Amino acid sequence: GAVVSQHPSWVICKSGTSVKIECRSLDFQATTMFWYRQFPKQSLMLMATSNEGSKATYEQGVEKDKFLINHASLTLSTLTVTSAHPEDSSFYICSASWGEVGEQYFGPGTRLTVT
Amino acid sequence: GQNIDQPTEMTATEGAIVQINCTYQTSGFNGLFWYQQHAGEAPTFLSYNVLDGLEEKGRFSSFLSRSKGYSYLLLKELQMKDSASYLCAAMDSNYQLIWGAGTKLIIKP
Repeated sequence: GAVVSQHPSWVICKSGTSVKIECRSLDFQATTMFWYRQFPKQSLMLMATSNEGSKATYEQGVEKDKFLINHASLTLSTLTVTSAHPEDSSFYICSASWGEVGEQYFGPGTRLTVT
Repeated sequence: GQNIDQPTEMTATEGAIVQINCTYQTSGFNGLFWYQQHAGEAPTFLSYNVLDGLEEKGRFSSFLSRSKGYSYLLLKELQMKDSASYLCAAMDSNYQLIWGAGTKLIIKP
């Protein structure tokens, strides 16, 4: 159980365009979803935390107007990278959990390359 | 400030035992997680400790000492597939995970 999917698994886009990444909890209702970014050989960097039906809480230094997060239901959250630039190229990973003290179940990640 | 320290890289031999240490400083504490991450993949959950002591799960065990702000992950009977990064993460009083940079474990035949 506790499967999280992400789509797409990889995407290449041109600079200036927008990209949407979907994160779904397939067999449980996620009260909270997290979006991370990971650069090569570095640890996970939390970008934002979102609860269903409310606005996401962004970490310091993360531009909320650039990284739009929508958590429309207990099983779906989306991250839209707007006006993408080459420096946005990274591995984006979502995770989902339920309850306060719960494991985070990670999606397989989305590798974004901006040319 | 909040901080997690773990070694950057470790090397061990197939069939041997390795211990990966993690020290943490957080505002409040609601448990310590270990995750395994293979290159190019997302992390997968290994263990969760909130009480002092050793939790054993097959070849993997995790230990916690809250008074010392210290945890370790013990891997026994190492296999080549155990080559991965191991991430230590402490949950603070706001139930937010504070992540370490990860320990890259290299297994040699």
